[in-house]
Amino acid sequence: AQSVTQPDIHITVSEGASLELRCNYSYGATPYLFWYVQSPGQGLQLLLKYFSGDTLVQGIKGFEAEFKRSQSSFNLRKPSVHWSDAAEYFCAVGPLGGYQKVTFGTGTKLQVIP
Amino acid sequence: DTGVSQDPRHKITKRGQNVTFRCDPISEHNRLYWYRQTLGQGPEFLTYFQNEAQLEKSRLLSDRFSAERPKGSFSTLEIQRTEQGDSAMYLCASSLDLNTGELFFGEGSRLTVL
Repeated sequence: AQSVTQPDIHITVSEGASLELRCNYSYGATPYLFWYVQSPGQGLQLLLKYFSGDTLVQGIKGFEAEFKRSQSSFNLRKPSVHWSDAAEYFCAVGPLGGYQKVTFGTGTKLQVIP
Repeated sequence: DTGVSQDPRHKITKRGQNVTFRCDPISEHNRLYWYRQTLGQGPEFLTYFQNEAQLEKSRLLSDRFSAERPKGSFSTLEIQRTEQGDSAMYLCASSLDLNTGELFFGEGSRLTVL
């Protein structure tokens, strides 16, 4: 069965500092991997996704993520965090093809301090 | 494109009452999903429709839960004889019939069972 682990429940960073959110997945084949962001009172929004090709993927809002098959990881990064990035971030995994039943991690809540 | 809309946004009910949530997906999307999210958790898959056919139901979806998508457009999720454990955010998402992997989420319907 597919699963996702986000080991950090809560992270606090200073505005302008770099950010890395960790994600490890378990899946038997080549997965789709996603990062979604959820701001208070808003729906989940896709930041980026990976399913093949270049293992470093660029997303919206200046985020990027790197797929490392050997480590079963798909960590999210941003070089300089803005106060508006404060939100909850979810890593997710889904199967290639089919109807994309997506399994989400438990999320990492990001706090940004001035 | 008005996005995925859900109604009501908030519902407070007494234990034992029935509640129904509605989801209107993005108009050209033929795939529709229901997820449930509780505090501190990521979204958990409940069920999936392709057009009007319900193709998968999670074991989380007890016999008190029923979902329909009668004409392949909007969907309803009904919970009968609500229990306090049903208190959660119910999320609807839709996607195209393509291997893009992206789910488009509504803002959710928050249920509080007293």
